[in-house]
Amino acid sequence: EVQLVESGGDLVQPGRSLRLSCAASGFIFNDCSMHWVRQVPGKGLEWVSGISWNGDKIAYADSVKGRFAISRDNAKNSLYLQMNNLTPEDTAFYFCAKDPGEGTYSPGVGGLGFDAWGQGTLVTVSS
Amino acid sequence: IQMTQSPSSLSASVGDRVTITCRASQSISSYLNWYQQKPGKAPELLIFAASSLQSGVPPRFSGSESGTDFTLTISSLQPEDFATYYCQQSYSSPLTFGGGTKVEIK
Repeated sequence: EVQLVESGGDLVQPGRSLRLSCAASGFIFNDCSMHWVRQVPGKGLEWVSGISWNGDKIAYADSVKGRFAISRDNAKNSLYLQMNNLTPEDTAFYFCAKDPGEGTYSPGVGGLGFDAWGQGTLVTVSS
Repeated sequence: IQMTQSPSSLSASVGDRVTITCRASQSISSYLNWYQQKPGKAPELLIFAASSLQSGVPPRFSGSESGTDFTLTISSLQPEDFATYYCQQSYSSPLTFGGGTKVEIK
């Protein structure tokens, strides 16, 4: 059974940093590209970032470019999102999502959707 | 690429045929995916590549395309289908989602 379990969400002050993790199991992690998607409570979905199967290709939404960094450790079957200089607008549930494509051109591009998601972890940015 | 979904919400009864539309701001070929999200849960993939049914998804769900217009159809609405539906383009980065369509019980 495919499982994605996010952790690391917390209440943080504006300007601070936070690192999210996503532990994957039940599939061959290094065959897939991976993504982070966020959702403000009660609002729609926003793609945040994606990373190819080997980490060579990375893409970000304009809203987080220069502040967030996605990475993965295939030996640990884990995905990460380092979030710096957080603002209240970053408050959301953060989901990790599995993309069956390798993402060797650009993560998610030409892909067939995100076929598994974690349950999400809540990041609240407030003073 | 902007993805515009309509309607933003609808009320329907069990057994109704429901149609949700997603319009892309430019050509995205067939790189359009549909997700279902229930309250407090993560989204689930229903349809990929505009019209391919994800494994395990009931056949009452179907997808179609006409140019830059994409349609999700539920042929006979079931109680478990009351949820919010999102489209997503995977043609170019940044990947973008539609604003969502909430399907409520009439």
